Amino acid sequence: DAGITQSPRHKVTETGTPVTLRCHQTENHRYMYWYRQDPGHGLRLIHYSYGVKDTDKGEVSDGYSVSRSKTEDFLLTLESATSSQTSVYFCAISPTSGAYNEQFFGPGTRLTVL
Amino acid sequence: LAKTTQPISMDSYEGQEVNITCSHNNIATNDYITWYQQFPSQGPRFIIQGYKTKVTNEVASLFIPADRKSSTLSLPRVSLSDTAVYYCLVGEGTGGFKTIFGAGTRLFVKA
Repeated sequence: DAGITQSPRHKVTETGTPVTLRCHQTENHRYMYWYRQDPGHGLRLIHYSYGVKDTDKGEVSDGYSVSRSKTEDFLLTLESATSSQTSVYFCAISPTSGAYNEQFFGPGTRLTVL
Repeated sequence: LAKTTQPISMDSYEGQEVNITCSHNNIATNDYITWYQQFPSQGPRFIIQGYKTKVTNEVASLFIPADRKSSTLSLPRVSLSDTAVYYCLVGEGTGGFKTIFGAGTRLFVKA
């Protein structure tokens, strides 16, 4: 399995509090992604990174920010958590942007916002 | 970005061949077709990817007709452990971030 860890694995927080989720990889892959998964929606891309300090928005980026200060870490921050952000969050990595762009996924973080 | 349409769910029995078809009428010239598998409480896992005709690996086959407006994932002789959600993705080969996961097909394999 690809070396991807996510922390925390579970978190319960209250509305209005800031939350940071961490994705750590040991594969030295250039591309990293954050998805959320909700029932009936599959996975939706929040933000992605194509290099250190290079990030861009996905399809559901409102209310989220990201940072990538080094290759191995990609942080997802909810500045002020809302109940609509209760979800399972997956981090993914991929080695290239070429034709073979297989993404490797982490184990997920289950976030509950009360 | 090409939108994909796949059945919401399918049932099968152990030992049968399962074919899951995905429709992607607006596929672009540079788009590749990729399938992922997801078990409960786990992240998705890559199964197979193709551009045209047929691709086969140790897990599955992917059939893509000449017009590329659809594709079919074929799982030979499924077992109970193949019960999962299967996602069809269409996106540019030049950027994994430009792929979109739909709701997927929930396959349930019965004994």
